[in-house]
Amino acid sequence: ETGVTQTPRHLVMGMTNKKSLKCEQHLGHNAMYWYKQSAKKPLELMFVYNFKEQTENNSVPSRFSPECPNSSHLFLHLHTLQPEDSALYLCASSHPGTSGRSNEQFFGPGTRLTVL
Amino acid sequence: AQTVTQSQPEMSVQEAETVTLSCTYDTSESNYYLFWYKQPPSRQMILVIRQEAYKQQNATENRFSVNFQKAAKSFSLKISDSQLGDTAMYFCALTQGGSEKLVFGKGTKLTVNP
Repeated sequence: ETGVTQTPRHLVMGMTNKKSLKCEQHLGHNAMYWYKQSAKKPLELMFVYNFKEQTENNSVPSRFSPECPNSSHLFLHLHTLQPEDSALYLCASSHPGTSGRSNEQFFGPGTRLTVL
Repeated sequence: AQTVTQSQPEMSVQEAETVTLSCTYDTSESNYYLFWYKQPPSRQMILVIRQEAYKQQNATENRFSVNFQKAAKSFSLKISDSQLGDTAMYFCALTQGGSEKLVFGKGTKLTVNP
């Protein structure tokens, strides 16, 4: 496969469930991102990992737990979510370099999450 | 802090016509990049066009072009000969050179009517 892939594409879970979202990039990038996209709201950056190290946590509630075992894989572990957490969760990757290189991000198709 | 503002939540255009989407931004950096991303309904977000701040020439990609006004901090997207497949959410985004973070606007929903 090429580009950025995400699984599952759709997920329905109850508030007491534990589930995980998976993202994989095949582009040789070193940075990976989780975004939340809700209806009628701007894209919200949640987490950034660069060379497997978390470099950004945008005040995300602890019921969202990211994991980045290597530069190609990114997970988002979910537990005791709330209905307002229902959204499209997008993964992206990029290769931010030294000054002069643009930070074009490549996006996955997203996971549509519904919390009942 | 960097900000991106898209003041048009929704727009529509007739097929084959031209439409311009507006974007303004604010940054204190001199080295930055601007992007337009397209997100079709239920489909993946993809990059449409990129502009380096240090380049005076406006970027062009086939039917897509930008009007980059650096002093005014304006970065509009022009779509010529609109096609039904151009129907999508369009996001304007900004990043500093070498930075990990991309700042997005709220998006403009464009509908191309037959």
